[in-house]
Amino acid sequence: GQNIDQPTEMTATEGAIVQINCTYQTSGFNGLFWYQQHAGEAPTFLSYNVLDGLEEKGRFSSFLSRSKGYSYLLLKELQMKDSASYLCAVREGSSYKLIFGSGTRLLVRP
Amino acid sequence: NAGVMQNPRHLVRRRGQEARLRCSPMKGHSHVYWYRQLPEEGLKFMVYLQKENIIDESGMPKERFSAEFPKEGPSILRIQQVVRGDSAAYFCASSSGLAGGTGELFFGEGSRLTVL
Repeated sequence: GQNIDQPTEMTATEGAIVQINCTYQTSGFNGLFWYQQHAGEAPTFLSYNVLDGLEEKGRFSSFLSRSKGYSYLLLKELQMKDSASYLCAVREGSSYKLIFGSGTRLLVRP
Repeated sequence: NAGVMQNPRHLVRRRGQEARLRCSPMKGHSHVYWYRQLPEEGLKFMVYLQKENIIDESGMPKERFSAEFPKEGPSILRIQQVVRGDSAAYFCASSSGLAGGTGELFFGEGSRLTVL
């Protein structure tokens, strides 16, 4: 089975940088995803890591260490619209389904 | 290119009634997934289907819940004899599998079920 942990809530200031961590335990790891979900809306895809290292996409970057079972999502130059839940998800083995953590609610303050 | 379409967006049922939630995947996608989300919680996997086949139903409650994805038409998540604890947002997602991409899931806007 899988166990995915991320902080429940985080607060940060507009313009700052925030790092959201995710640790996981799984057998047959086959990729890690980050999704953003605004309240009452659909989750939207942010990033995908399957190899160790950093993937950068504009203001958002995601890092993976498979040996440590650890990932983080880095958000730079925070904007008020970044206030949302950030969901870490893992794909295991040959299955296409994703298993999600409980999500981290990020509040960006002026 | 239309995204994942779910309906109804909101559904109110009384205890003991049936709820049917529909999901049309993105064009070209043959993999459908259903997730349940309680307020301020994460997405809980329920079932994964391909056309006419249930691939993984390890997250489905043993009773009252069923899912199908027929050859023609949308995928249906059916909840019989609803109870208050079934109140949640039910999200459908679709993917094309891994070929040529990350295999990311694309989500619909969800169906919010309220059981009175």
